[in-house]
Amino acid sequence: DAKTTQPPSMDCAEGRAANLPCNHSTISGNEYVYWYRQIHSQGPQYIIHGLKNNETNEMASLIITEDRKSSTLILPHATLRDTAVYYCIVRVGFGAAGNKLTFGGGTRVLVKP
Amino acid sequence: NAGVMQNPRHLVRRRGQEARLRCSPMKGHSHVYWYRQLPEEGLKFMVYLQKENIIDESGMPKERFSAEFPKEGPSILRIQQVVRGDSAAYFCASSPNLPGSHEQYFGPGTRLTVT
Repeated sequence: DAKTTQPPSMDCAEGRAANLPCNHSTISGNEYVYWYRQIHSQGPQYIIHGLKNNETNEMASLIITEDRKSSTLILPHATLRDTAVYYCIVRVGFGAAGNKLTFGGGTRVLVKP
Repeated sequence: NAGVMQNPRHLVRRRGQEARLRCSPMKGHSHVYWYRQLPEEGLKFMVYLQKENIIDESGMPKERFSAEFPKEGPSILRIQQVVRGDSAAYFCASSPNLPGSHEQYFGPGTRLTVT
């Protein structure tokens, strides 16, 4: 799986949008970009994934650059409950090889009042 | 629809004892994954199982660790002769057996402490 690079930490003001960058310059054509988050001491939580197109769901938006070498997760209105470690993961989305999630260091996001 | 369930949530074992961690996947899910998170470290993949089959165990230590997912009942991660370095949070995840399914749903984890 391609590796990802994320800033180790970032602060965000409550109610503002949080923009979390991720670099994945070695991504292959059949690899998806996934985002998970881990709130303190809990199990990771799936947020969103995408291949080429931008994606949006009830939790967040995912913006993938045209060359697919980087992406940004957007939390539109951050709340204190969004304080967590956010992981950007790149992997094939199918088959046995597509089932292993490789977590890096992630970005520790602190939402401040 | 209940989520992924893990028990026990906390487990204390003395060095040399055995630890058994259980994971019940979400209803209808036939794929189970185990991950380990050492203190202050990221999550590491251990093993991926389908019913009665181990698909990928590339992250499992070669000794003392084993996993199973029987036809009936929960998936079990077994650690024999535990050592202090086994102290960690062990997370189980499940996913459905659907083409194109992408998400893994994680349980709350079992925190193992070896004294």
